[in-house]
Amino acid sequence: DTAVSQTPKYLVTQMGNDKSIKCEQNLGHDTMYWYKQDSKKFLKIMFSYNNKELIINETVPNRFSPKSPDKAHLNLHINSLELGDSAVYFCASSLGTRSGNTIYFGEGSWLTVV
Amino acid sequence: TQLLEQSPQFLSIQEGENLTVYCNSSSVFSSLQWYRQEPGEGPVLLVTVVTGGEVKKLKRLTFQFGDARKDSSLHITAAQPGDTGLYLCAGGSNYKLTFGKGTLLTVNP
Repeated sequence: DTAVSQTPKYLVTQMGNDKSIKCEQNLGHDTMYWYKQDSKKFLKIMFSYNNKELIINETVPNRFSPKSPDKAHLNLHINSLELGDSAVYFCASSLGTRSGNTIYFGEGSWLTVV
Repeated sequence: TQLLEQSPQFLSIQEGENLTVYCNSSSVFSSLQWYRQEPGEGPVLLVTVVTGGEVKKLKRLTFQFGDARKDSSLHITAAQPGDTGLYLCAGGSNYKLTFGKGTLLTVNP
């Protein structure tokens, strides 16, 4: 069973569209994240949720709206997509919020905005 | 803003060679992690170091955390093609993990 699974893996869409990426973890973790990896492979945190509560929001445009219906799910909705949103988006989870905890990443969702 | 600088950015070596990758910051971290990412996959944790001066070994990989907890190094002995990948260091503090920009390692057979 995949520990952190996200869908879709590939997404090609036009500018201005709205899209969602879904994420689920079956590890029983309390903390979930969304990371963005740009074309230069720089991995940057976007959001962090602990027990469904938002704890980190890193200067992300408000076109990006995470939603955590329960501890095992953290979905990412993006409105009015722009060319610069093209990147790989990784969902991840960890046991808790301590910075030394292992973070388990999904396989990534490759978003291309044309 | 905490920044982690990794060097070199790219490294291409022959099988059997040794290499060292560096991760430096002006900030102190409570922990330092190393991840490896293969193409089309998410990063996977290799090691976590938490004590200044700590050295951890994972088969042919040796990880060191600087005494001041601001820097770290990853040394690979007798590199193999299977070691090819993007190596990311990540510093932890204040419930947040900050990633370096990575070292893309290619080991040629």
